Amino acid sequence: GDSVTQMEGPVTLSEEAFLTINCTYTATGYPSLFWYVQYPGEGLQLLLKATKADDKGSNKGFEATYRKETTSFHLEKGSVQVSDSAVYFCALSPDSSYKLIFGSGTRLLVRP
Amino acid sequence: DTEVTQTPKHLVMGMTNKKSLKCEQHMGHRAMYWYKQKAKKPPELMFVYSYEKLSINESVPSRFSPECPNSSLLNLHLHALQPEDSALYLCASSRGTGGLLSNQPQHFGDGTRLSIL
Repeated sequence: GDSVTQMEGPVTLSEEAFLTINCTYTATGYPSLFWYVQYPGEGLQLLLKATKADDKGSNKGFEATYRKETTSFHLEKGSVQVSDSAVYFCALSPDSSYKLIFGSGTRLLVRP
Repeated sequence: DTEVTQTPKHLVMGMTNKKSLKCEQHMGHRAMYWYKQKAKKPPELMFVYSYEKLSINESVPSRFSPECPNSSLLNLHLHALQPEDSALYLCASSRGTGGLLSNQPQHFGDGTRLSIL
């Protein structure tokens, strides 16, 4: 079945470091791909999305590119801030479906 | 600011109590969802409403009873819950669930943190 695999955390970085959180997926057809962020004590916020191959989603300095050849959707940010500390979920919505299939989540801790 | 509003933010209840969780959205979305999230885990889908009709029940125990009074509101009625039901309950909405409206992003509320004594 469809699935999402994320790198295990926690990921600990110093402020202004470069961030990569790996995400790969298994799905038939053409799923849509999403990154959600969950700050402590809050719900999930949509961070960015991509709906077809080679699309690049971007928001708040974060970027991810839909790579069908490698079935990946890695999240990157050039310079992280302490305020980026949160749990990041990669998710896919299978072709023509309402479902959201989440990865296990990656906790990011950014130190001053 | 979240566009999906959930109340209450916190709820503590005994196993014999009856309570309700509420969710409201004013984005004109026609699909609404309930999720359960345990600590350090991703959300798990419980129910899906599409155009105010229950379309998906992911084998949720009957002590959880959803209700969609209108296109903006979603309730989750709780009765005789167990300690293992303690979790964060998230509501979400999206433009739709099928056809051209599939694969739409879901927008989440901040959740209700539920503790069962």
